[in-house]
Amino acid sequence: GAVVSQHPSWVICKSGTSVKIECRSLDFQATTMFWYRQFPKQSLMLMATSNEGSKATYEQGVEKDKFLINHASLTLSTLTVTSAHPEDSSFYICSASPTSGIGGDTQYFGPGTRLTVL
Amino acid sequence: TQLLEQSPQFLSIQEGENLTVYCNSSSVFSSLQWYRQEPGEGPVLLVTVVTGGEVKKLKRLTFQFGDARKDSSLHITAAQPGDTGLYLCAGARAGSYQLTFGKGTKLSVIP
Repeated sequence: GAVVSQHPSWVICKSGTSVKIECRSLDFQATTMFWYRQFPKQSLMLMATSNEGSKATYEQGVEKDKFLINHASLTLSTLTVTSAHPEDSSFYICSASPTSGIGGDTQYFGPGTRLTVL
Repeated sequence: TQLLEQSPQFLSIQEGENLTVYCNSSSVFSSLQWYRQEPGEGPVLLVTVVTGGEVKKLKRLTFQFGDARKDSSLHITAAQPGDTGLYLCAGARAGSYQLTFGKGTKLSVIP
């Protein structure tokens, strides 16, 4: 149980285009979903937290107009990288929590999406 | 921003050896989680520790949470090539969504 999927698993796009990444909780309802970014040989950095039906909360330094997050249902959150640039190339990982996610409630991670911007 | 320092960053050992990975912070966490991540994949949760002094065992893996809930360790007994991977610790503070991740320990177990 507690499986989280991401689609696509990898994507290559041209600079200036937008890319949408989906995150789905397959066998549970996710009250809260999280989006992380991981650069090579670095750890995961939280980008934003989203709750179903409300606006996402972005971490300091993350542009909300560039990284659009939509938590449309209790099983789906999407991250859209708008006007992508080569520096946005990274490994994007989502996680989902069946509860509020506060205080370390378990987060289940997706397999990640490798974005390469040419 | 609280930081989690993991050590060592890299570890290469022979099959059958024991090893310990450390995760330290100056901040108190309500819980601490250990993950293993394979290249190109998301982290997979190994264990969550929530009580100061808690020790949890998962087959050959032993996890300990410090009494003050500022540090943790992961001990692997008789390492096997299948243990190879990136081990990440992540701490959560009470009342916060955020998981703070350490930079990870990259473990290579040589057959």
